[in-house]
Amino acid sequence: QKEVEQNSGPLSVPEGAIASLNCTYSDRGSQSFFWYRQYSGKSPELIMFIYSNGDKEDGRFTAQLNKASQYVSLLIRDSQPSDSATYLCAVWSYQLIWGAGTKLIIKP
Amino acid sequence: SQTIHQWPATLVQPVGSPLSLECTVEGTSNPNLYWYRQAAGRGLQLLFYSVGIGQISSEVPQNLSASRPQDRQFILSSKKLLLSDSGFYLCAWSVLGTSNTEAFFGQGTRLTVV
Repeated sequence: QKEVEQNSGPLSVPEGAIASLNCTYSDRGSQSFFWYRQYSGKSPELIMFIYSNGDKEDGRFTAQLNKASQYVSLLIRDSQPSDSATYLCAVWSYQLIWGAGTKLIIKP
Repeated sequence: SQTIHQWPATLVQPVGSPLSLECTVEGTSNPNLYWYRQAAGRGLQLLFYSVGIGQISSEVPQNLSASRPQDRQFILSSKKLLLSDSGFYLCAWSVLGTSNTEAFFGQGTRLTVV
């Protein structure tokens, strides 16, 4: 069974600090990795995707992929209260496999 | 640009009643279409996916069914709802024929079975 694991949280981070969200996956053959943000009662929206080992930056967000260790992470710099949400990790392995999400709380 | 419409946004139904949720996609052809369910505080559970008209794959055996009568229309149905069918139902689409592709979601339907 292909699995994607995330710490459910909540992860509490002070405003302005760096939030670090982690995700591990079981299928070594996975090729694409996605981070979605989901506000309470809303549908998930794509933040970033990453295909290659290393870092990918987009504004305040950085995705990091380490295929050898089978983990992918999302860093949020200068965290804002509006970043408070649940962050879902998804891994493409012939279909999208979803983690259960990490709830992030940014404290003013 | 592509858009996905899902309705209704909220629904309260009695146990044993039928269900029909509809989803349509605009601005693209031959999409992959998906129905997910999300229980409170949980991740996304894939219920059905479709790669074409009339082609439905079921991931989880239950009292729900799906149909794709047109290329960009996906319907989730039940003949008799159970209490356990309550949840947040999400329709999504992705580009057909490519791997490594992200999914785009509709607004979701909050279903409460009472």
